[in-house]
Amino acid sequence: EVHLLESGGDVVQPGGSLRLSCVGSDFAFPSYAMSWFRQAPGKGLEWVSAISSSAGSTHYADSVRGRLTISRDNPENTLYLQMNNLRLEDTAVYYCARRDGGYRFDYWGQGTLVTVSS
Amino acid sequence: DIQLTQSPPFLSASVGDRVTITCRASQGISSYLAWYQQKAGKAPKLLIYAASTLQSGVPSRFSGSGSGTEFTLTISSLQPEDFATYYCQQLNTYPLTFGGGTKVEIK
Repeated sequence: EVHLLESGGDVVQPGGSLRLSCVGSDFAFPSYAMSWFRQAPGKGLEWVSAISSSAGSTHYADSVRGRLTISRDNPENTLYLQMNNLRLEDTAVYYCARRDGGYRFDYWGQGTLVTVSS
Repeated sequence: DIQLTQSPPFLSASVGDRVTITCRASQGISSYLAWYQQKAGKAPKLLIYAASTLQSGVPSRFSGSGSGTEFTLTISSLQPEDFATYYCQQLNTYPLTFGGGTKVEIK
């Protein structure tokens, strides 16, 4: 069974940094594009960033561009989200998800909570 | 950016009812639309992709239709476990975007 496990969420002060990880198991991780999504407390879903299978292409939401960086380590089956200069509005549960072809995100992790607070 | 307008934002229905949720895109997205179900404290679960293809393991009471700018998710006979929030998502163009969600309450 495909499994995605996020970690790294924590409480951090505004302006601080954090690195999230997402480890994939029981599937060919290097063959899949991946994305990060987030959900602020009581709010809807928001796409954050995407990376191609080879890491040759990345995309970002305008709200995070220049502060958050997506990357991956295919031999380690791990996706990362480096978060710098964090803002109060970055407080959310962050999910990683596998993109299968062009039409779907078929597997999601359980999420990791990032709280930005002074 | 492509905006997705989902309606209604909230609905209350009885077990056995037929429920329809609509998602309108601000520009054409072909069939690059997915539907997700999310329960409180849980990750989203994929229900429908490519506008009308049922994800493996999802009950057949869920169905999707549409293309271009108008899409619908239908639950043919609402069950108690369908109490959740439903989101549409477009995968046609970055930035990927979601509708605002539809919270379904069981009467």
